[in-house]
Amino acid sequence: GAGVSQSPRYKVAKRGQDVALRCDPISGHVSLFWYQQALGQGPEFLTYFQNEAQLDKSGLPSDRFFAERPEGSVSTLKIQRTQQEDSAVYLCASSRRIGNEQFFGPGTRLTVL
Amino acid sequence: AQTVTQSQPEMSVQEAETVTLSCTYDTSENNYYLFWYKQPPSRQMILVIRQEAYKQQNATENRFSVNFQKAAKSFSLKISDSQLGDTAMYFCASPPPGNTDKLIFGTGTRLQVFP
Repeated sequence: GAGVSQSPRYKVAKRGQDVALRCDPISGHVSLFWYQQALGQGPEFLTYFQNEAQLDKSGLPSDRFFAERPEGSVSTLKIQRTQQEDSAVYLCASSRRIGNEQFFGPGTRLTVL
Repeated sequence: AQTVTQSQPEMSVQEAETVTLSCTYDTSENNYYLFWYKQPPSRQMILVIRQEAYKQQNATENRFSVNFQKAAKSFSLKISDSQLGDTAMYFCASPPPGNTDKLIFGTGTRLQVFP
């Protein structure tokens, strides 16, 4: 596909469950970013990769959050032992290189009950 | 600390009129990009316009233009001839101080265009 894709689009989890969110960036895009967007707010930076290297994970809210991009393409954001405060839309974006415009996926809406 | 400020939570404009959304940011870098993104209701974020900080000329994309004041760290978005399809959340984004790799987003301005 031509754009950034994310799956699943919607995820409902019971508190305490682990979840994995997937992001397929635009082919050839070196940089990949994860954001968390609460209702009515702007995206909050979580982490980003340049190829397979995770260059900054300062935005991850706790050690329950883990992201990887092992082959420098697809990325997975994993949340362990989900809590209600993790409920949000998780956005993925990719760019051709660091500093360029970011292209966003449709997001995954996570609801933790 | 919030480094991108959008002081207008909501704006409204009549179709065909002009509206300006404000944004201020805080970065210590000399060369960087600034962005305005649009997020329609329940739809994904798309880029509206970008400005390269080393260029003095304001960026323009059809009905969208910016007023970039580098010294004041101000980056407002002007929408001319507003259309109903412009109704959306608008987010300004800039790199944070000391880092041009990532973007910090403002809290957004909800724009309503009415007939």
